[in-house]
Amino acid sequence: GEDVEQSLFLSVREGDSSVINCTYTDSSSTYLYWYKQEPGAGLQLLTYIFSNMDMKQDQRLTVLLNKKDKHLSLRIADTQTGDSAIYFCAEGGNTPLVFGKGTRLSVIA
Amino acid sequence: NAGVTQTPKFQVLKTGQSMTLQCAQDMNHEYMSWYRQDPGMGLRLIHYSVGAGITDQGEVPNGYNVSRSTTEDFPLRLLSAAPSQTSVYFCASSTGQGREQYFGPGTRLTVT
Repeated sequence: GEDVEQSLFLSVREGDSSVINCTYTDSSSTYLYWYKQEPGAGLQLLTYIFSNMDMKQDQRLTVLLNKKDKHLSLRIADTQTGDSAIYFCAEGGNTPLVFGKGTRLSVIA
Repeated sequence: NAGVTQTPKFQVLKTGQSMTLQCAQDMNHEYMSWYRQDPGMGLRLIHYSVGAGITDQGEVPNGYNVSRSTTEDFPLRLLSAAPSQTSVYFCASSTGQGREQYFGPGTRLTVT
């Protein structure tokens, strides 16, 4: 079945870049998403990429997609303490979205 | 637009009690879904609906019922609460099944 894998934890220093990685299994996925969850809150859509794209940039966020390896990454430039949160990747197509378990990003001041 | 709203924010139930978690959206989205979030388990899909009058089971449907009588509302019913249903429940909506979902703020449920 479909599965989305992420590493559980990432710790970076303020001002550095963060790279959060994700692998997925469904080659028919049309969209790949990144969500952010702050403590006590729901998931907030950060960005998404169509499966026919390799890269998408949105201010400090860069999404890279390697469709051959089914690998997705989210790079956050100049990471700030406000970026501390759990980040989920998800794949979507003709079936309900499948979410990874989330990567907890800790930013050290 | 209020987006996706959920009530209540917090609830404590005793084992065997029943209750309904409310979810509403004002974006005219056809697709709505319910997830539960547990530590280390990520988000797991409970039930979903592709439109009014249509519902389907997700990954963990046992112990939960849903109905979709209107486009706006998608309540989740716990028939007989069990401690294993202690969790945070999120409702989400989107324009279509594989499209970006917009989440509500969640309901934190404790079953004692």
